[in-house]
Amino acid sequence: GIQVEQSPPDLILQEGANSTLRCNFSDSVNNLQWFHQNPWGQLINLFYIPSGTKQNGRLSATTVATERYSLLYISSSQTTDSGVYFCAVNTGGFKTIFGAGTRLFVKA
Amino acid sequence: DSGVTQTPKHLITATGQRVTLRCSPRSGDLSVYWYQQSLDQGLQFLIQYYNGEERAKGNILERFSAQQFPDLHSELNLSSLELGDSALYFCASSVGGAGELFFGEGSRLTVL
Repeated sequence: GIQVEQSPPDLILQEGANSTLRCNFSDSVNNLQWFHQNPWGQLINLFYIPSGTKQNGRLSATTVATERYSLLYISSSQTTDSGVYFCAVNTGGFKTIFGAGTRLFVKA
Repeated sequence: DSGVTQTPKHLITATGQRVTLRCSPRSGDLSVYWYQQSLDQGLQFLIQYYNGEERAKGNILERFSAQQFPDLHSELNLSSLELGDSALYFCASSVGGAGELFFGEGSRLTVL
C-alpha cells in the first residue's frame, strides 16, 4: 500500500517563527488533506489540496502531485499552533491513509 | 463544529467487556470511516462504509465489528476488550467514497 512520510517528526519554535512541514507519499494520490490535532485531541481540517497551492491566513499549503510531496507553511507561529499536524492521502480507493504526523510546540 | 457527532465522548470499562461507539455523519455524507489512535500514535484506519455497505477494511481486529444503518449512522462494536484497546476512536464522514474527510471529536475509551 501507499507509504506516507512526514518530516520533521518533532519541531520546537519560538513564537513568531516560520516553519515548513513536509509530506512525502509513495504513489499517485487522488486527494490529500492536512489536519491539525490540537492538544485536546480535536482534528481540524486545514487544507484539502490534491494539487496546487492554497492559503488560509498564516497557513498555506502546496502539493506537487507529480513529485509526490506536499508542504505546509506556517508563518508567524503562535502558541495556539501547537499540536500535531497530519497529512492524509487517498489513492482513489476507499482508504485514506495518515502519516505519522509532525509534533509542533511553539514557545511563548 | 465539523457536523460529525460521536457518542459517548468518554468511556471507561473493564477488560473482557463489550462497548458500542456511535457516529452520525454530516448531513448529506454517505461515507463513514473509523480510525483508532492509541496514545501518542498516528491514526490507524479501521473500516469504511459507503451508503450502508462495507467498502474498505484496514487493520481491524476480529474482536471489532462495525455497521452502517439505513439512516447512515454507524456503530463500532468492540468486544473482549483488552488493555491495549484503550485509545481514541474517531469517526469521519465524506460525501463520496474518497472525498474530503470531516472528523468527529472522538470517543476516548479506557480499558482498566
